[in-house]
Amino acid sequence: DIQMTQSPSSLSASAGDRVTITCRTSQSISKYLNWYQQKPGKPPKLLIYGASSLLSGVPSRFSGSGSGTDFTLTISSLQPEDFATYYCQQSYSNTYIFGQGTKLEIK
Amino acid sequence: QLQLQESGPRVVKPSETLSLTCTVSGDSISGSTYYWAWIRQPPGKGLEWIGSIHNSGGTYYNPSLKSRVTISVDTSKNQFSLKLSSVTAADTAVYFCAEQAGWFGEGGIGYYHGMDVWGQGTTVTVSS
Repeated sequence: DIQMTQSPSSLSASAGDRVTITCRTSQSISKYLNWYQQKPGKPPKLLIYGASSLLSGVPSRFSGSGSGTDFTLTISSLQPEDFATYYCQQSYSNTYIFGQGTKLEIK
Repeated sequence: QLQLQESGPRVVKPSETLSLTCTVSGDSISGSTYYWAWIRQPPGKGLEWIGSIHNSGGTYYNPSLKSRVTISVDTSKNQFSLKLSSVTAADTAVYFCAEQAGWFGEGGIGYYHGMDVWGQGTTVTVSS
């Protein structure tokens, strides 16, 4: 089974900061990597699919990169509504396992 | 606009079978080329994919749950369902259903799936 390691598990930042979250997989998954945002009491929201493709309607301050085993989600300038928990998810070989999550908190 | 709504018992006894239904509105399951998924989230913890089904009946399950999970689809009711057998307290969670759509990647290279429309979730507690 493919193992996923997301880091950091939590992160404190201020509005306007640039932040990066990392996801690593135990074997190559090409670009089969999604990123989600979840706020308390709400279902997750898909932000990025295929490692770097932004879903329609998602602000351009979000970006994704990587392929193989190393992936990043970058928020270029944090907005107040971006403080949430972020999850990566692999979609390789018809399994859709999530990373452990990164909680992004206000500093 | 596509909407999904989970329904089912909120409390299940240990060793029994958890059964949930997701009702899809705003689109036809039988007319869709997409998959439909179940995901859960234990209190204060992360997301766990349970499994996915196509309207043709083809299924994929999380290997860690595969022995206890059955996902089925009823196109006549525009619903899909989850059964999880032999539940324990560890199965207490918010259960979400979701549409698993697909898109071509940048430059038309690759075809990628992700959960783009979600139900609000339903809390299921395993307790005697």
